[in-house]
Amino acid sequence: QSALTQPPSASGSPGQSVTISCTGTSSDVGGYNYVSWYQQHPGKAPKLMIHEVNKRPSGVPDRFSGSKSGNTASLTVSGLQAEDEADYYCISQTGSNNFVFGTGTKVTVL
Amino acid sequence: EVRLVESGGGLVKPGGSLRLSCAASEFTFSKAWMTWVRQAPGKGLEWVGRIRNEKDGGTTDYAAPVEGRFTISRDASKNMLYLHMNSLKAEDTAVYFCVHQMRSWFDPWGQGTLVTVSS
Repeated sequence: QSALTQPPSASGSPGQSVTISCTGTSSDVGGYNYVSWYQQHPGKAPKLMIHEVNKRPSGVPDRFSGSKSGNTASLTVSGLQAEDEADYYCISQTGSNNFVFGTGTKVTVL
Repeated sequence: EVRLVESGGGLVKPGGSLRLSCAASEFTFSKAWMTWVRQAPGKGLEWVGRIRNEKDGGTTDYAAPVEGRFTISRDASKNMLYLHMNSLKAEDTAVYFCVHQMRSWFDPWGQGTLVTVSS
């Protein structure tokens, strides 16, 4: 199972928006509404930001939103803040009832 | 608050074995599906495997790179999750995270424990 493709990096100034893509196939991203997104600061454990494509857990700011079109899911961070600088990973369930992870995107707040 | 605390990491020689433990608290561990995820130094996340709850058969699934070498087990009476690792290779060097699986997502994650495979 190949990893989901994410851009290595993305950046924006404070207050701007940044969108991260996560591209898979019809066997994972495109076949199910089971994409989740995680934020990871250096040396820390990942934190769930979005599940089931666009559902935001309690406590996650509404600046974070998710969507999906075809085989590509996206995470948008609006109103960028300094604390949003981190690595972001997408994960999709696959047809074999396992999971495939994205390659990760480093978000820089300029 | 759900809490997961890993332990057991360390330095091991190639071909050696190690057992990681994960202590779970503040949730009904016996009902949970649990997963191990690893992250090699400076690299991305990699799903290692998972174990279903007893109601769903307590069965396990593994990623291809660890199939046949790693075994996940659980002790519901102690709220403990384990990852038994055999025939370790240099490429198994990583931080190993214990994670609670909720249907199709993972939350929360433990803080991780570092395993270094080196001679």
